[in-house]
Amino acid sequence: EVQLLDSGGGLVQPGGSLRLSCVASGFTFSTYGMSWVRQAPGKGLEWVSAIGGSGDTTYYADSVRGRFTISRDNSKSSMYLQMNSLRADDTAVYHCARISAAATDYWGQGTLVTVSS
Amino acid sequence: QPVLTQSSSASASLGSSVKLTCTLSSGHSSNIIAWHQQQPGKAPRFLMKLEGSGNYNKGSGVPDRFSGSSSGADRYLTISNLQSEDEADYSCETWDSNTRVFGGGTKLTVL
Repeated sequence: EVQLLDSGGGLVQPGGSLRLSCVASGFTFSTYGMSWVRQAPGKGLEWVSAIGGSGDTTYYADSVRGRFTISRDNSKSSMYLQMNSLRADDTAVYHCARISAAATDYWGQGTLVTVSS
Repeated sequence: QPVLTQSSSASASLGSSVKLTCTLSSGHSSNIIAWHQQQPGKAPRFLMKLEGSGNYNKGSGVPDRFSGSSSGADRYLTISNLQSEDEADYSCETWDSNTRVFGGGTKLTVL
């Protein structure tokens, strides 16, 4: 059974940093691209970043480019999102997700990030 | 980059059928999309991958009541024999070489 367990959210002040983690199980992690998708309170889904299976290719939404860094450790079946210079509009539930044949096919439960003073 | 347009809300009666629409922006009418369901308080769930030809592949455990179809730039999700648990937000997703995009989502109310 495919499982994605995301964690690391919390309350952080504007300008602060946070690192999210996603631990995967139930599939061969290194053969799948992965992504982070967020959902602000009462809003729709917004893609944040994606990474190829080997970790060599990374992609970012314009809203986070230069502030967020996606990475993965295939030996630990884990993906990460380092978030710096956080702003109030980064407040959201962040979901990790698996990409299969280009489509998102499994989702993590999500971890809440609140940026507030 | 592609843009996906969805109606913000829809409603239908218990036991009836409903057809939700996701429209691709100009220049992206041949894109493949994915449909996702998000029940209140839960994580999204992948429903299906839908091609411009109308061919679709459903996710594991998705009931037969869910089907997909396409016409031009429009991608449809049809839910038959509506159940109370189908009351949820339905979002479409597409992608290109270096970005992924979600539609704004349709909130489905089962009357």
